[in-house]
Amino acid sequence: DAGVIQSPRHEVTEMGQEVTLRCKPISGHDYLFWYRQTMMRGLELLIYFNNNVPIDDSGMPEDRFSAKMPNASFSTLKIQPSEPRDSAVYFCASSRTGESEPQHFGDGTRLSIL
Amino acid sequence: GENVEQHPSTLSVQEGDSAVIKCTYSDSASNYFPWYKQELGKGPQLIIDIRSNVGEKKDQRIAVTLNKTAKHFSLHITETQPEDSAVYFCAASGGYQKVTFGIGTKLQVIP
Repeated sequence: DAGVIQSPRHEVTEMGQEVTLRCKPISGHDYLFWYRQTMMRGLELLIYFNNNVPIDDSGMPEDRFSAKMPNASFSTLKIQPSEPRDSAVYFCASSRTGESEPQHFGDGTRLSIL
Repeated sequence: GENVEQHPSTLSVQEGDSAVIKCTYSDSASNYFPWYKQELGKGPQLIIDIRSNVGEKKDQRIAVTLNKTAKHFSLHITETQPEDSAVYFCAASGGYQKVTFGIGTKLQVIP
């Protein structure tokens, strides 16, 4: 079975540009999570969806960040406008519904804002 | 909300020795504790998990222990090998999908 697929794997862009990160969850998983990983703060949950509906976006740092899940097989995380402090590795993960179901992570997008 | 503390942040061991990583959690309602291994350039991958109705679980060279009273849980790796070198994360969850991760431990196994 294919795992969680993220694109692009690397993104380098200039400050002020719009950045869009993409994620395809594992088929049959109805939870999707977006995380940000930095050396200083570790893995931070940004937002998660259940059945394409955002459940908790309290981790989204500010209004420049937005996430959508238009269908069960696709989600985007958008940053507009981007800033150098947004540089990090962004991970998408998915899981099935059920008590104690583990999350399965993609290999991340390494984002560098110059 | 849940708070997970993990230590040490870095750990170096000789090949063949054991490695132990310890975590504490704050929310007594947490009942699921997964451990993830992250290799360079990859996403975290689940290596073992334990539920609150179990005190210990073992899978080959990896074992996890849980002390619910003290809110402690630990990862034990025996007979370490160079391919065990990675960053390890502990995590805690209240049985719902939201998981809180520790800060990570960078394990280096010296050949």
